[in-house]
Amino acid sequence: DQQVKQNSPSLSVQEGRISILNCDYTNSMFDYFLWYKKYPAEGPTFLISISSIKDKNEDGRFTVFLNKSAKHLSLHIVPSQPGDSAVYFCAASASGGSNYKLTFGKGTLLTVNP
Amino acid sequence: DAGITQSPRYKITETGRQVTLMCHQTWSHSYMFWYRQDLGHGLRLIYYSAAADITDKGEVPDGYVVSRSKTENFPLTLESATRSQTSVYFCASRNQGDYGYTFGSGTRLTVV
Repeated sequence: DQQVKQNSPSLSVQEGRISILNCDYTNSMFDYFLWYKKYPAEGPTFLISISSIKDKNEDGRFTVFLNKSAKHLSLHIVPSQPGDSAVYFCAASASGGSNYKLTFGKGTLLTVNP
Repeated sequence: DAGITQSPRYKITETGRQVTLMCHQTWSHSYMFWYRQDLGHGLRLIYYSAAADITDKGEVPDGYVVSRSKTENFPLTLESATRSQTSVYFCASRNQGDYGYTFGSGTRLTVV
């Protein structure tokens, strides 16, 4: 049972346009969400996060939106740059109990074309 | 060097052999994790550890063994490697109170 779902394996956008990556979750205990970015032959690196008490968090070109009622979050990249081409993983955590585990989605490969 | 390091970066082994992947972190983070990345599956948790001598199974632990005698090291052993264990393995650590992990660069393991 996949608790964090990224239903789009890939996304292609033009440089300068907006990239929107989506993520859905099923576990209502999740209360903290993160996005990781991964380049080939490297480990994932932290990009941005959001707590369930917020519905938006912004960091430069990156904004994460959280819709708790829909159990949906999205990552917006504006404007997209070729260097943003990577695999993006959505991850979620539940505080309390085994709160040190992140559950990851399968990832979305973003390609930004010059 | 400060950070989290994995060794080796690449490994080819034969079916049935025992192989150990190493992970070392310099921050004294309490929590350490092993994930495998496979096409179509994303990152799946194999084992994790909350402190030295405390380990627990993740989502896909079968065929793997871990130990954590020292805070900074968290080796992952494949006792008898199988082709299905061909994958990229990532080690990660997390500090107490943080949600995010810091990942190593990964070990690409091929079992032939």
